[in-house]
Amino acid sequence: GAGVSQTPSNKVTEKGKYVELRCDPISGHTALYWYRQSLGQGPEFLIYFQGTGAADDSGLPNDRFFAVRPEGSVSTLKIQRTERGDSAVYLCASSLGTGGTGELFFGEGSRLTVL
Amino acid sequence: SQKIEQNSEALNIQEGKTATLTCNYTNYSPAYLQWYRQDPGRGPVFLLLIRENEKEKRKERLKVTFDTTLKQSLFHITASQPADSATYLCALNSNYQLIWGAGTKLIIKP
Repeated sequence: GAGVSQTPSNKVTEKGKYVELRCDPISGHTALYWYRQSLGQGPEFLIYFQGTGAADDSGLPNDRFFAVRPEGSVSTLKIQRTERGDSAVYLCASSLGTGGTGELFFGEGSRLTVL
Repeated sequence: SQKIEQNSEALNIQEGKTATLTCNYTNYSPAYLQWYRQDPGRGPVFLLLIRENEKEKRKERLKVTFDTTLKQSLFHITASQPADSATYLCALNSNYQLIWGAGTKLIIKP
């Protein structure tokens, strides 16, 4: 596709459940980022991939959060034992540049609601 | 502590006037700064990037300035239109991350 694609666009789950959010970046973009955005706030960094490897996962809030990018394109953000505080919009972005040196192309986000 | 501040109050501007948004930061020394536009329910969209050695950057009706002494960037939209109404986010690089402000909501009134 022409842009970054994220699925699902909306996810409602119950506390304690497992959730997967998917990101399909722009073809050829080696850098991929996951952010979390709460209402009225800017995006909060979670993890950055360069190719298949997580170059920086310092933003993951705890060990319930994990992300993979096994073939260097599609990435999945996985959240175990969801909590109400995990409710937010999860944004994925990709970039041609390495290490945040260029513009980011964002998807429309996955809105997660934990009841 | 490291902070990025954007005016949290909405900015109301009359159509046709120039809108000026401010981004201030402390305890960072960014090599560059970016501005994005975000509409409700959508992801941010890149507008402009300005490097630390550039004082000003222009793109159509948009202008960005970057003052590394004041630790401030100003974002201007000239001849504003109702379609410019959105939230505008600034982001600066820290190592290879982008650190984001909370954004300023801009409302252009016809």
